[in-house]
Amino acid sequence: DADVTQTPRNRITKTGKRIMLECSQTKGHDRMYWYRQDPGLGLRLIYYSFDVKDINKGEISDGYSVSRQAQAKFSLSLESAIPNQTALYFCATSDLLNEQFFGPGTRLTVL
Amino acid sequence: KQEVTQIPAALSVPEGENLVLNCSFTDSAIYNLQWFRQDPGKGLTSLLLIQSSQREQTSGRLNASLDKSSGRSTLYIAASQPGDSATYLCAVPNQAGTALIFGKGTTLSVSS
Repeated sequence: DADVTQTPRNRITKTGKRIMLECSQTKGHDRMYWYRQDPGLGLRLIYYSFDVKDINKGEISDGYSVSRQAQAKFSLSLESAIPNQTALYFCATSDLLNEQFFGPGTRLTVL
Repeated sequence: KQEVTQIPAALSVPEGENLVLNCSFTDSAIYNLQWFRQDPGKGLTSLLLIQSSQREQTSGRLNASLDKSSGRSTLYIAASQPGDSATYLCAVPNQAGTALIFGKGTTLSVSS
């Protein structure tokens, strides 16, 4: 079984809808991250969490929110989706050496 | 602000060739550097993590080197195979150590 899982893997939604992307990990890491990847722009950090009570904004947090439900679960929400949030979204975890491990990604399309 | 650059953006080689992918970073005050592989539309797979105290790390046909003083890292792939075709990304921690800053990657195509 994969160490970092993401659901859904693909999602098509309409402008204005609220959606949630979920991430679970079995690696036992405290640190979790959400990134988005866009062609030509690379990967950019949205939010990160170093433990259940710690939530921090990344480079591009506007329009997003997160919830750390447990050490193993970190969810990303789009409160009111817009077309420029169409992207590939990745969840990641890291160990104490800060080696990062990524999930398989969620391909989100906002129409 | 830390910036990571990867050259070339794309590379095509015949099967069996040895090749080098380059990564440069502007702020040498890093404590590690990580190389990833990404297949089209898929997630990132960690290949190698080099700590700042190390100069090289090896895994199978892959060898990564790190020269902090010059702000450079290289990923050497020996005896390339078609299955090596993918995008290779390097990343370094940001100054606060809170997340990674990625290069835009080198897309490798190995023909049989």
